[in-house]
Amino acid sequence: ETGVTQSPTHLIKTRGQQVTLRCSSQSGHNTVSWYQQALGQGPQFIFQYYREEENGRGNFPPRFSGLQFPNYSSELNVNALELDDSALYLCASSQTSGGDNEQFFGPGTRLTVL
Amino acid sequence: KQEVTQIPAALSVPEGENLVLNCSFTDSAIYNLQWFRQDPGKGLTSLLLIQSSQREQTSGRLNASLDKSSGRSTLYIAASQPGDSATYLCAVDLVSSGSARQLTFGSGTQLTVLP
Repeated sequence: ETGVTQSPTHLIKTRGQQVTLRCSSQSGHNTVSWYQQALGQGPQFIFQYYREEENGRGNFPPRFSGLQFPNYSSELNVNALELDDSALYLCASSQTSGGDNEQFFGPGTRLTVL
Repeated sequence: KQEVTQIPAALSVPEGENLVLNCSFTDSAIYNLQWFRQDPGKGLTSLLLIQSSQREQTSGRLNASLDKSSGRSTLYIAASQPGDSATYLCAVDLVSSGSARQLTFGSGTQLTVLP
């Protein structure tokens, strides 16, 4: 069974640029959630995708957007990057949007905005 | 708004000690609570999940308890080892906007186990 994978591992961008982060969910999982973790903080929920539709969103502006594909992999897109977007971005997958909802996390993408 | 607090923020203990990490949350309307481990700069590893109807879960040297009515959970680590050094995060599972189930995290307890 393959776990959750994310790419790239690290990324450096400048203010105003756009970035795309990718996530492959664990085999058999149809729900993907994205979290942002600033240094020294717990992860903050960005949004969740279930069967290719966004079905919930945290307190993040519209310049944070996403996609989920038929194979349940997902992308997080961030436009007009700001310095405060520098963080570890974590993707988590689960088997369903209900039930136990045990979430399994990938290794994360470290984004640095200069 | 759900808030999750973890105490202490940091803890340093000698190898072999038993220890308790604390987590509190403000809204008892949760589906479950998960404890995670995070090594520096890495992703999260799920340790234990306690459903809202359960009181505790055990895995090896780890035991987690849940008192939903008082909004508290504890993670007990027996016979600590240097390899247990990491940040431990608790998260409560609740419904966010729409129908999504989201995790709300505490800021974590950074544990150092000294050889």
